[in-house]
Amino acid sequence: DVKVTQSSRYLVKRTGEKVFLECVQDMDHENMFWYRQDPGLGLRLIYFSYDVKMKEKGDIPEGYSVSREKKERFSLILESASTNQTSMYLCASSSEGNEQFFGPGTRLTVL
Amino acid sequence: AQTVTQSQPEMSVQEAETVTLSCTYDTSESDYYLFWYKQPPSRQMILVIRQEAYKQQNATENRFSVNFQKAAKSFSLKISDSQLGDAAMYFCAYGGATNKLIFGTGTLLAVQP
Repeated sequence: DVKVTQSSRYLVKRTGEKVFLECVQDMDHENMFWYRQDPGLGLRLIYFSYDVKMKEKGDIPEGYSVSREKKERFSLILESASTNQTSMYLCASSSEGNEQFFGPGTRLTVL
Repeated sequence: AQTVTQSQPEMSVQEAETVTLSCTYDTSESDYYLFWYKQPPSRQMILVIRQEAYKQQNATENRFSVNFQKAAKSFSLKISDSQLGDAAMYFCAYGGATNKLIFGTGTLLAVQP
């Protein structure tokens, strides 16, 4: 079975802190994705990566950056966390056929 | 640009009954996939069912089936013999040529005992 893990289930940070969210997949997938999930808005794509060191902006990249140094790992970085970045963050990976496999999510609260 | 619309924010069904969740989408692509994902409360999002657009036959997975109407750009999910464990947020998603998925806003399904 595909396994996608995320470094934390719950995270509380202060405004202005630098935040790292880590995602690891174990199925050698080329594509990895970061979404944020907010009530009534569904899942919105922040960034995705289709290969090591390759990244593309999604629909809401402002305030975020990403890093993919190894194929299995995709990191989301909040350079200076703000309260409007309080949300659920979901990581996913995929190979062919578009089916994405999701991690358990990180619920981030920025105070 | 492609869009996915789920017009039912919340639905409710009695245990053992059948419920249908609606999804419409818009695209100019001819080759694509459609998905229904399930997100139980505080649990991981999982794939329920997948449909390739070139297949005319509607996909089924046990109690879950879809009604795929390509011309109408409609992709509804039918859950038969609903169980308490079916209570979840359900997301419809579109996957085209870009390897990205576009999600609807979700339908929260409650199952009444």
